[in-house]
Amino acid sequence: EVQLVESGGGLVQPGGSLRLSCAASGFTLSSYEMNWVRQAPGKGLEWVSYISSSGTIKKYADSVEGRFTISRDNAKNSLYLQMNSLRAEDTAVYYCARGLSGSYPGFWGQGTLVTVSS
Amino acid sequence: DFQMTQSPSSLSASVGDRVTITCRASQSISTYLNWYQQKPGKAPNLLIYAASSLQSGVPLRFSGSGSGTDFTLTITSLQPEDFATYYCQQSYSTSITFGQGTRLEIK
Repeated sequence: EVQLVESGGGLVQPGGSLRLSCAASGFTLSSYEMNWVRQAPGKGLEWVSYISSSGTIKKYADSVEGRFTISRDNAKNSLYLQMNSLRAEDTAVYYCARGLSGSYPGFWGQGTLVTVSS
Repeated sequence: DFQMTQSPSSLSASVGDRVTITCRASQSISTYLNWYQQKPGKAPNLLIYAASSLQSGVPLRFSGSGSGTDFTLTITSLQPEDFATYYCQQSYSTSITFGQGTRLEIK
């Protein structure tokens, strides 16, 4: 069974850092592009970051460029999002998702909540 | 950037109704368009990919059409479990973008 399980969310103060993880199972992570997508409370879906299957190509939304870093460890079947200089507006549920571009169906995890507040 | 605009933003309908949600891209995305359903507290659930392909396990009352810049999601014979928020998403670019969502409410 294909699964994506996010972890690492929690409460952090403005200016702080947090590292999210996404554990993949039921498929070979190295074959897929991966993304992070977030959803602020009561708001719509916002793409955050993309990483190619090999990890050589990384892209970021303007809202997180320079503060967030996406990475992957295919040997550990894991995806990561390092979030620095966090702001209140980064408060959201963060989802990892497999393969959201192209013509093939993607797959989403259940999300982890990040709350940035003093 | 590919901007995605959904309409309407909200919609009231009754069980058994047929509803249509539209999504317009700011430039051509061929058929690189996905549709999701989301219920409160849950992750988005893929309904349609590549504009018109029904995801496995999704009821046949859901269908998608369109290409280029204009797309539609149609739900025939609404069921109680269909009342949710629906999003379109362009998959043409690796920098994906979503529509703002359409909230489908019970009339």
